[in-house]
Amino acid sequence: AQSVAQPEDQVNVAEGNPLTVKCTYSVSGNPYLFWYVQYPNRGLQFLLKYITGDNLVKGSYGFEAEFNKSQTSFHLKKPSALVSDSALYFCAVRDSESSASKIIFGSGTRLSIRP
Amino acid sequence: DAGVTQSPTHLIKTRGQQVTLRCSPKSGHDTVSWYQQALGQGPQFIFQYYEEEERQRGNFPDRFSGHQFPNYSSELNVNALLLGDSALYLCASSLGVDTDTQYFGPGTRLTVL
Repeated sequence: AQSVAQPEDQVNVAEGNPLTVKCTYSVSGNPYLFWYVQYPNRGLQFLLKYITGDNLVKGSYGFEAEFNKSQTSFHLKKPSALVSDSALYFCAVRDSESSASKIIFGSGTRLSIRP
Repeated sequence: DAGVTQSPTHLIKTRGQQVTLRCSPKSGHDTVSWYQQALGQGPQFIFQYYEEEERQRGNFPDRFSGHQFPNYSSELNVNALLLGDSALYLCASSLGVDTDTQYFGPGTRLTVL
């Protein structure tokens, strides 16, 4: 069975500071990992994904995520937060052997950036 | 280029009623997936339609059914509504059934009273 956990319901960061949103996962095979962002009254927007290769993945809006196989983690990071980054962030995972529709989403982390 | 659109934006129903939600995929996409996002939770996969057939299904009861039309648009139908069906229903479109690249619509907020 596959699962994903986002241990923090909310993360608060001052503008200009680095931010990290945590994600851990569990799959039986090799993981495909994703981050999505959801703004109010908007659908999910794709940020980045890890399939294979370099453990550091760069995505949209200056975000990046680091895949750590030994810790089964895929934390989302940004060197300098913007107020406009305030939104709900979802980590998602699926096993590389399962179909794309079998993606599992975490419960989300609300990121709040204060000016 | 229009993205994924969904209608209506909001909907209020009472227990036992039936509801139909609609989705138009992004231009050029042929596959539509539906997700249920309960308050405070991540989206959960309901089912996927391709070539007017249900291709994949998540762990949802038969009260949830769907349809895809020749123009690739899709409907989600829920019968015998329960209070627990209150959620944001998201539609996502993609090109082909087994791709990780999908685009989400803004969702339909369903409230069951």
